Amino acid sequence: EPEVTQTPSHQVTQMGQEVILRCVPISNHLYFYWYRQILGQKVEFLVSFYNNEISEKSEIFDDQFSVERPDGSNFTLKIRSTKLEDSAMYFCASTKKKISQGATGNTIYFGEGSWLTVV
Amino acid sequence: AQTVTQSQPEMSVQEAETVTLSCTYDTSESNYYLFWYKQPPSRQMILVIRQEAYKQQNATENRFSVNFQKAAKSFSLKISDSQLGDTAMYFCAFMRLSGTYKYIFGTGTRLKVLA
Repeated sequence: EPEVTQTPSHQVTQMGQEVILRCVPISNHLYFYWYRQILGQKVEFLVSFYNNEISEKSEIFDDQFSVERPDGSNFTLKIRSTKLEDSAMYFCASTKKKISQGATGNTIYFGEGSWLTVV
Repeated sequence: AQTVTQSQPEMSVQEAETVTLSCTYDTSESNYYLFWYKQPPSRQMILVIRQEAYKQQNATENRFSVNFQKAAKSFSLKISDSQLGDTAMYFCAFMRLSGTYKYIFGTGTRLKVLA
């Protein structure tokens, strides 16, 4: 079964450093997402990306964050000047072009997550 | 705005018994999907079951079934014949069928299956 892959699985970084988290979505998917889960808390939506641009972002996704799809396969989340509170599991996800009522296979597929620790 | 509420932070069940996890949501949308995801200690998000709001029939997937009450905006998960491998965090999630199809997650229920 196709899957979303994420790298690295775990990264430790110094506060103030830049981090890039990478994701390879499922090949025929066109909607891409980043979610964040702080330890012990719920999974929170960060951003969605479609047609090479951000389609929606949450209040968490401020100027510190950026996303891009540089080569048509990778989907990256960049965190500039990391803070201690950025420590979390970051999930990439993808889904097919259009989710409509009654269509089969409508679900969002998650990667296994990238665990970021800021020290 | 949509909200998802899971009022049971922790639950436990004896192996082979049945347990029900509760979820309520609030939305003004008429077309949406509801999901239950399992998150084991590995922290991977694993889809357990999905319910389309327009379907009156409750979804089932092997030992997992839901009780979907659209008018009450309730979406509970029943796990039958609980197994030790069911021990995990369970998240209820809402997705509207418009816009960017993002998920709204509940705060989760930690389920422990006891031997």
